[in-house]
Amino acid sequence: NAGVTQTPKFRVLKTGQSMTLLCAQDMNHEYMYWYRQDPGMGLRLIHYSVGEGTTAKGEVPDGYNVSRLKKQNFLLGLESAAPSQTSVYFCASSTLIFLRGGTEAFFGQGTRLTVV
Amino acid sequence: AQTVTQSQPEMSVQEAETVTLSCTYDTSENNYYLFWYKQPPSRQMILVIRQEAYKQQNATENRFSVNFQKAAKSFSLKISDSQLGDTAMYFCAFMKHNDYKLSFGAGTTVTVRA
Repeated sequence: NAGVTQTPKFRVLKTGQSMTLLCAQDMNHEYMYWYRQDPGMGLRLIHYSVGEGTTAKGEVPDGYNVSRLKKQNFLLGLESAAPSQTSVYFCASSTLIFLRGGTEAFFGQGTRLTVV
Repeated sequence: AQTVTQSQPEMSVQEAETVTLSCTYDTSENNYYLFWYKQPPSRQMILVIRQEAYKQQNATENRFSVNFQKAAKSFSLKISDSQLGDTAMYFCAFMKHNDYKLSFGAGTTVTVRA
């Protein structure tokens, strides 16, 4: 039972480079999310998806793009990385029941990204 | 927008003792959910406890319990009989009913001393 898996776990980028973070979940969850975690700021929502083929902006979407071509995968892209995007990125997934407090959101193990 | 405030950046507690983490939130909603998540050094986010706003009874999970004060918009977490494995960062989070998104506080780092 893998749950939510993020790839890669660590990455160092040079300013201006691009990359894609992959999130995969095997729980058939409808909702998926990308958060970033920064010291003293907790986790902030970047983008989210309420189903295959749909995406929406969260609290801090600038500089990121996402796609959800398959229900089990949610990709986060950085087209031109900046030092301000140095952070730990978390993917999460949940079901409709979570919206009514009935269960929990499940998180991946995080990706530590450093932009130099 | 909802804001979640954790006013204690760091706390230290002796093994077997009790520690209480504070959390306050700001919302105009009446129906919502509150959570405490634990993040150990492994970075994994682990749900500790959950509280529904419409329930007056405080949630309890083994050594973890909350003090939910709806009128004061306060949601504190008490860790009893602290264990070394409780060393982690703890996040308070808020979610409106039928919403998709969690709003997190800045976190409190708890260190349990042997």
